[in-house]
This record gives sequence, C-alpha cells and structure tokens, in this order.
Amino acid sequence: QVQLQASGPRLVKPSQTLSLTCTVSSDSISSGGFYWSWVRQRPGKGLEWIGNIYHSGNTHYNPSLRSRVTISVDTSKNQFSLSVTSVTAADTALYYCARSNAAAGTDSDYVFRHWSPGTLVTVSS
Amino acid sequence: ETVMTQFPATLSLFPGERATLSCRASQGITSNLAWYQQKPGQPPRLLIYGASTRASGVPARFRGSGSGTEFTLTISRLQSEDAAFYYCQQHGDKPPTFGQGTEVEIK
Repeated sequence: QVQLQASGPRLVKPSQTLSLTCTVSSDSISSGGFYWSWVRQRPGKGLEWIGNIYHSGNTHYNPSLRSRVTISVDTSKNQFSLSVTSVTAADTALYYCARSNAAAGTDSDYVFRHWSPGTLVTVSS
Repeated sequence: ETVMTQFPATLSLFPGERATLSCRASQGITSNLAWYQQKPGQPPRLLIYGASTRASGVPARFRGSGSGTEFTLTISRLQSEDAAFYYCQQHGDKPPTFGQGTEVEIK
C-alpha cells in the first residue's frame, strides 16, 4: 500500500515562497502509471486541486494558481515538491499530496485514491 | 471550470436511517464523478468514482448514482462511524473540482 507524507515549513511570511515535499513509500515514482498531485483545503472552504506531475516531469496546473505554482519531481529520492510564490494569507491551508492513475494519453484520471495526512501551512508575519 | 454544488449542507439522521446526498455539476460530466469521505484530522478517503464504482474496501451500504449533471450518494443503514463530511468531485474536466461538502451527523 503506497504511503505519502508531506513535509516542509509550517509558517511562511507573506510575499515569500511556500515549499513542500512529498515523500512516497512502498511505491516508486519512476515506475510510472501514476500522477502525483497537490491538493489544498483552506479553512472553512472546500478542496482545491493545485496541480500534478508525472515521473517524466510532465505537469498540469490549476489555471487559478498556474502563475505562482511549480511542481517538480526527484525520482532518485522518490519525492515530488510544490513551490508557491508570493504567498498571502489566502494560501493558508492544509496541504495534501495525493496519487491518481495515469489515464490514456498523457494525463491523469483525476481520481485521488491515496492521500497523505494534511500538513497545515500558515502564512503570517 | 466546472462548478460542483452539494446539498444539503448538513444532514442529521438516526442510526439505521438512509442518507441521501446530492451533487450537481454546472455542466455535463457524463459519469466522471467521485465521492470522498473526510473525518476530522484525516485526509479525504475515496468512496466512489465513475459515479457508481465503489473503491476498494468501501462497504456496500455506500452507493453512487447519476450521470450528466445530477448525482447522488446514498448511505443505507447509517452507522455511527459514517459521521463525516462528504465531498463530490468531478474528474472529467480539467481542472478537477470539488463541491463544498455535506456534513452527515448521527443523532
């Protein structure tokens, strides 16, 4: 059973960059067949998909965040990472990493079958 | 993007009763609809995908139905451990989007 664990600074100052890393266990990112996503849940709001990455480095982003988000993968460490620039209080959220299946073609099926525990990141001075 | 609307916001029922949760998509998504259960302090858990396919290990009392723009999650014979938030999510259009959730309370 695959396990995902997100890690990174829990407190980020406004205008700075939020960085998180998801470490994958009991599965190899480089084996392919899956897309690796970031999803967040802001206080009192619903869930929001941020973006995903394939082992090849192919990425897809939510248009609402595309200008500030970068997702990268390090297959040697079996990790993928999230970077969000120019953060504000609106980026305060529980952040999850999740896995979905690769669909036909070059995209995900966007069904999130495995999730990490949430990591609360607070943006505050 | 496709906007997902869930109703009711809260459902309060007794154990053994049937819960009916609704989800509406702002545009047709055929059967590309998933349901998740989230308990406090836990990540979402996939229950249903493809509108009606139960995920591995999900009890048969959870049933999904619908297509196009109208979807339903039915929980028959509610149990105390079913108290949670339930979210629908469309997985047919990019970006994938989630509803605001329905809270199921057990009296």
